[in-house]
Amino acid sequence: GAGVSQSPSNKVTEKGKDVELRCDPISGHTALYWYRQSLGQGLEFLIYFQGNSAPDKSGLPSDRFSAERTGGSVSTLTIQRTQQEDSAVYLCASSQSSGRALEQYFGPGTRLTVT
Amino acid sequence: GENVEQHPSTLSVQEGDSAVIKCTYSDSASNYFPWYKQELGKGPQLIIDIRSNVGEKKDQRIAVTLNKTAKHFSLHITETQPEDSAVYFCAASIGFGNEKLTFGTGTRLTIIP
Repeated sequence: GAGVSQSPSNKVTEKGKDVELRCDPISGHTALYWYRQSLGQGLEFLIYFQGNSAPDKSGLPSDRFSAERTGGSVSTLTIQRTQQEDSAVYLCASSQSSGRALEQYFGPGTRLTVT
Repeated sequence: GENVEQHPSTLSVQEGDSAVIKCTYSDSASNYFPWYKQELGKGPQLIIDIRSNVGEKKDQRIAVTLNKTAKHFSLHITETQPEDSAVYFCAASIGFGNEKLTFGTGTRLTIIP
């Protein structure tokens, strides 16, 4: 079946603008994760959703970052007033259910460049 | 929180030889250890994983071993092929309702034809 999809694949934005990144998880996967991959920091956790709730937001770097998930499916990650240090690849992953199947499957990512 | 260290950062092996990548973790509560392969411009691909109640797991040319006492786990690739060239990441998770992954810093594996 279809894997995790993300859009856009690339986004170039000017410093100070807001951006929205979208993630479509694998159908039926109840858990959804956002990670960020940057050259200096490797792969780092941002936020975790179980259904539409976000029990763990501990990885969000600042209050400029927020995320939501609707209908237990699509999630959007919003970055307000973007800064150059926000430039990175934003990856989304989903898994079948929390506490049972642990395998996380990643999407191709959105490469964000802040100029 | 959890900390995962990964070595080496780069590894070159002749085609047909074996490659070994090692990771250590800090939190003894971690109980799930996946390995991901990432090719240029793509997202990480899960290639094998191991849970804490198992010491070794094998899937064709790929195997993972886990030593819970020493808190380290390793990826073994045998009979390497050019298509094995990629960046490999280890990760660890505590689970219990939030399986967020803590990743190692990655190993760039190059297979020399």
